[in-house]
Amino acid sequence: KAGVTQTPRYLIKTRGQQVTLSCSPISGHRSVSWYQQTPGQGLQFLFEYFSETQRNKGNFPGRFSGRQFSNSRSEMNVSTLELGDSALYLCASQGRTNTGELFFGEGSRLTVL
Amino acid sequence: GQNIDQPTEMTATEGAIVQINCTYQTSGFNGLFWYQQHAGEAPTFLSYNVLDGLEEKGRFSSFLSRSKGYSYLLLKELQMKDSASYLCAPWGTSNSGYALNFGKGTSLLVTP
Repeated sequence: KAGVTQTPRYLIKTRGQQVTLSCSPISGHRSVSWYQQTPGQGLQFLFEYFSETQRNKGNFPGRFSGRQFSNSRSEMNVSTLELGDSALYLCASQGRTNTGELFFGEGSRLTVL
Repeated sequence: GQNIDQPTEMTATEGAIVQINCTYQTSGFNGLFWYQQHAGEAPTFLSYNVLDGLEEKGRFSSFLSRSKGYSYLLLKELQMKDSASYLCAPWGTSNSGYALNFGKGTSLLVTP
C-alpha cells in the first residue's frame, strides 16, 4: 500500500511569510503526527492528531499549528516565519493499536531566507 | 519530560560489531523504539522493546533495562549500508497517543 505522502518536498520562503505543509497518511491510519528535524536539535515532536482532534502538542510557539481532516489527511501551518524555522518537517502516521510504530514520510524541507 | 542521551558519532569497520547506547529518563514508560535514518531519507523503524531483555532481529538486536533507564542497539556483521543515524525514542506514559520524543541520534560511519 502507498506510504505517507508529504507535499511540497522543497520550498523556500522569506521571513514573515507563512507556509502550509500537507500530509496524506497511509490508508486506514488515523493518527498523524508532525516532527521538526534540524541538525542542532534533532527530531522534535510538534503535534499529533487523531480523528480530527489534536491529542498531543510539543513545546513549540503558537505560530505552529495544524489540523486534520475527516479523511485523516493533515496540514500544518507556520505563520510569521523566522530564519530558525528552516528545517525538515516530517509527518508520520500510525495505525495499529498497542504499538507506537510510526511510518514517516519523506518530509518537506523548508528554507527561510 | 524526557531526557535522552546517546553518543553523537561512532565509527566502526565493515564486518565488525557495534553497540549504540541510549540512556533516558521518562515520566512513566510504555516502551522504547530504535529508528534508522539514512542521510536525506525518512526514519524507518528498527525495533520496539517493552520488556527487559534482548530482542534479536537478524543482524540487529536491541536490549532494554527499564530499571536502569538504559537501552542499546547492537549491529553485527556491519555493512557499508549501515552508515546512518540511529535514533533512540522512549515512549513515556505522559504522552497519550503516539507522541515520541527522540534522542538527537548517533551518526554511525562504517568504514572499509
